[in-house]
Amino acid sequence: DIQMTQSPSTLSASVGDRVTITCRASQSISSWLAWYQQKPGKAPKLLIYKASGLESGVPSRFSGSGSGTEFTLTISSLQPDDFATYYCQQYNSYSRTFGQGTEVEIK
Amino acid sequence: EVQLLESGGGLAQPGGSLRLSCAASGFTFSSYTMTWVRQAPGKGLEWVSAISGSGGSTSYADSVKGRFTISRDNSKNTLYLQMNSLRAEDTAVYYCARPPRADGSETYLFEYWGQGTLVTVSS
Repeated sequence: DIQMTQSPSTLSASVGDRVTITCRASQSISSWLAWYQQKPGKAPKLLIYKASGLESGVPSRFSGSGSGTEFTLTISSLQPDDFATYYCQQYNSYSRTFGQGTEVEIK
Repeated sequence: EVQLLESGGGLAQPGGSLRLSCAASGFTFSSYTMTWVRQAPGKGLEWVSAISGSGGSTSYADSVKGRFTISRDNSKNTLYLQMNSLRAEDTAVYYCARPPRADGSETYLFEYWGQGTLVTVSS
C-alpha cells in the first residue's frame, strides 16, 4: 500500500500568513494527488485535484504543486474561514489512501 | 443538484450488524462508481469500500474485508454498506462519496460527499 505522510500535523498561523502543508507519498503517484479541507462536524470538501487543479468555486489563494512523491498545498494569505483540517489523498492505486491530516489553528 | 444522504447509523454491539444506506439524487446514479469513506472520532479519513456503476466490481479495505459488503440498487438510486461482525474500531462517521465524472477517470477522487452517519460499536 502507498503511504501518505503529511507535515506538520498541526500548524499555528495568523490571518494573512502564507501557509504551506507538505504531503509525501511512499512511492511515485505521478500527479494523482488531491487536497481536502474539513471543518468540525462537516464532510470533507475537495480543494485541489491532480496535484494543482483548483476545484470550481475554491478561492484562488489555495494552490497545489508537486509530482511524484512530494506535494504541497499553499494558502497564500490565510483567512478566518481557512482554519480547518487539511488532508491529502492519493488516487493512483488500489489503496486510495489519505494522509493523516494537518490542523491549521489560530495562533 | 447532486445530493447524497446517508442513513442507518446507530449503536451496535460488538459482533453485531448494521446496514447503512446512501440515497442519491441529482445525477445518473448508475453511471458512477460509489465509495464509502469513514472517520473515527478525532481521527483521519479512511477509504472503506467502492462499487462500480453496474455493481459488478467491488473493492474493500483490508480492515473490513470479509466483514463488510457493499452493494447498490440502481432502480432506487441507493448505495448500501452491510456491516457484520462489528468491532469497536469500526466506530466512525461513515460517508458516501462520488467522483467528479462518470467516465472512469479519477474514479477515486471525491467531489461530492454526504453528511455522514455515525456508527458506534459498544457494549
